[in-house]
This record gives sequence, structure tokens and C-alpha cells, in this order.
Amino acid sequence: GAVVSQHPSWVICKSGTSVKIECRSLDFQATTMFWYRQFPKQSLMLMATSNEGSKATYEQGVEKDKFLINHASLTLSTLTVTSAHPEDSSFYICSAFSGSLGTGELFFGEGSRLTVL
Amino acid sequence: SQQGEEDPQALSIQEGENATMNCSYKTSINNLQWYRQNSGRGLVHLILIRSNEREKHSGRLRVTLDTSKKSSSLLITASRAADTASYFCAHRRGSSNTGKLIFGQGTTLQVKP
Repeated sequence: GAVVSQHPSWVICKSGTSVKIECRSLDFQATTMFWYRQFPKQSLMLMATSNEGSKATYEQGVEKDKFLINHASLTLSTLTVTSAHPEDSSFYICSAFSGSLGTGELFFGEGSRLTVL
Repeated sequence: SQQGEEDPQALSIQEGENATMNCSYKTSINNLQWYRQNSGRGLVHLILIRSNEREKHSGRLRVTLDTSKKSSSLLITASRAADTASYFCAHRRGSSNTGKLIFGQGTTLQVKP
């Protein structure tokens, strides 16, 4: 199946710093990518929909100025957690979707674990 | 709330036994999907069942869908220790095929050797 790569797989940072997480579709073009957040022992919560070349659409309750999303190319979306605080510590997972795949199946990255000290 | 309900939240069985997980959702759907997540890892797509299907099989997996009750079940037969993982159902929000999935709360399955 298609491969989605996330980087970094884990990151530890100090409170107040910004962290960028990359999501790449390696063997297909993804017109749409999705960013999820998952707290320990909980399900995935959709944060935002990232569309190539346009602004991201954020879910209710997700601060767009805190979680900056850029989808500059058909193979790369980035999530930047700005001025991170300990409560932002979580597992962030991206998924990529392309209409050309035809199946409507999403492919997920391996996730990025953020720990804010 | 975005999410549907899944039960049980946690399930512990012996190797060889069958595991059944249930999922309920709130809106009309075109299809429902089941995913597996090993601890600290990404998600793996297991099976998709369309709204006009009632049952679907894939290897040791059997999925049922009851659209009148807005519920689905995942049965894993002859479980193995390697099946230990969290299992999530998911459905698309809205009618467009954009891939925007909403996940259930998940069932954590432990299969004891």
C-alpha cells in the first residue's frame, strides 16, 4: 500500500518553543491530508484538514494560531505547534488521501510523539 | 462529540478465543472502516464495509453492519498474541469522498499467550 512518513517520530522540547512535524506521502500525491491528536489511552481526535495550496480547515475547539498547518506541495504537509506547553504533549498522527487512489482509503503515518517539558 | 461509542473499552482473552468488539455511530454513513493500532504506532486499515453490506470477511476478521441500529461489530476468530492492539471503527463525516474520518473511542484488546 501507499506509504506516509512522519518526522520526527518523537520530540522533546521546552515549554514555549515551537515544534514542526512533517507528513510526507512517499509514493503518491495527496491533495488532502488530515492531522489527528491522540492522548494516552484515548482515540484519535481530528484537528484539521489540510488541502494543498489553500488554508487548512480546523475542527471546532482547535486553535488555528497555535497549530499552524502548511500544505505547500502535493506530498508534504507540516504541523507546527507554536509556543508549546505541557498540555500539548500528545501523539500527533497524520493521514493522507488522494482521489487518484480510487479506493477512498486513508494511509496513516507512524505518528509523532511530542513531549513538552 | 466527534466520536461514536465502542465497547468494550478493554478486552482480555486467551489465545485461541474469539474477540468481539462493537461500535455505534451517530450519523448516516456510506461505509464504515475498522483500523488497528499497535501501542505508540500509526493505524493500519483492516477492513471496509459499505452501507449496503451486512457482513464482510477478511481472513480471521468478520465485520457486520446494522445501519438500522447504527452499529457494527468486529470479530477476530482464533486470536493470537500478535492481535494485541487497539481497534477503532471509523466513518466518514459528510457525503463527499474526502477521506475525513471520525473515529470511535476504541477497544484495547489483550490476547494472553
